Amino acid sequence: QAVLTQPSSLSASPGASASLTCTLRSGINVATYRIFWYQQKPGSPPRYLLRYRSDSDKQLGSGVPSRFSGSKDASANAGILLISGLQSEDEADYYCMIWHSSAWVFGGGTKLTVL
Amino acid sequence: QITLKESGPTLVKPTQTLTLTCTFSGFSLSTSGVGVGWIRQPPGKALEWLALIYWNDDKPYSPSLKSRLTITKDTSKNQVVLTMTNMDPVDTATYYCAHSYYDFRSGFPAPMDVWGPGTPVTVSS
Repeated sequence: QAVLTQPSSLSASPGASASLTCTLRSGINVATYRIFWYQQKPGSPPRYLLRYRSDSDKQLGSGVPSRFSGSKDASANAGILLISGLQSEDEADYYCMIWHSSAWVFGGGTKLTVL
Repeated sequence: QITLKESGPTLVKPTQTLTLTCTFSGFSLSTSGVGVGWIRQPPGKALEWLALIYWNDDKPYSPSLKSRLTITKDTSKNQVVLTMTNMDPVDTATYYCAHSYYDFRSGFPAPMDVWGPGTPVTVSS
């Protein structure tokens, strides 16, 4: 079982909100981890979006709009990237990442379609 | 302004050793806390972290690839070199280097925050 699992795709309408989930493998407690999120558009390197561990331990990346935010769902053992007021430019692949067992681990990515 | 750029061969043969160079500006690997990492992405697939090197020469590696990877730095040239031995077609990917740092306040590594454009590598005979 992968350390981080993301749904392969998600669709949402312009102006709506989208919640992208990143589920941690059973036995890895989301409460103790900083979850990092990246956005990647075709042909470009990933762009660092934000970090979220708790409301007192969070950080938005440089130049990232406040429409992007992080949270957690402890019951699902998952980190969440919330994008509000969706715009066409938000259509991209999104990756979560954690530092686990002295290594960076990426999720499989979610392709967000805005239509 | 931090910039990074990857360079190296675009085509390598199976079993050969790949050597990639990351040349950067806007920071120094002699500065406390600073690091540079390597990440790859096969065509149409997810990101995979490979290795990281810090100012103090600490070098965490991906556990699954550790036996094949070596990361080194040349502080005077502002370069980081990654070598990967015994290349296979499954190693075909775009290889990225990225700036990172150690978050002393939290006691954990900070994420890769500025990335190079990436360099494509194809493994084929």
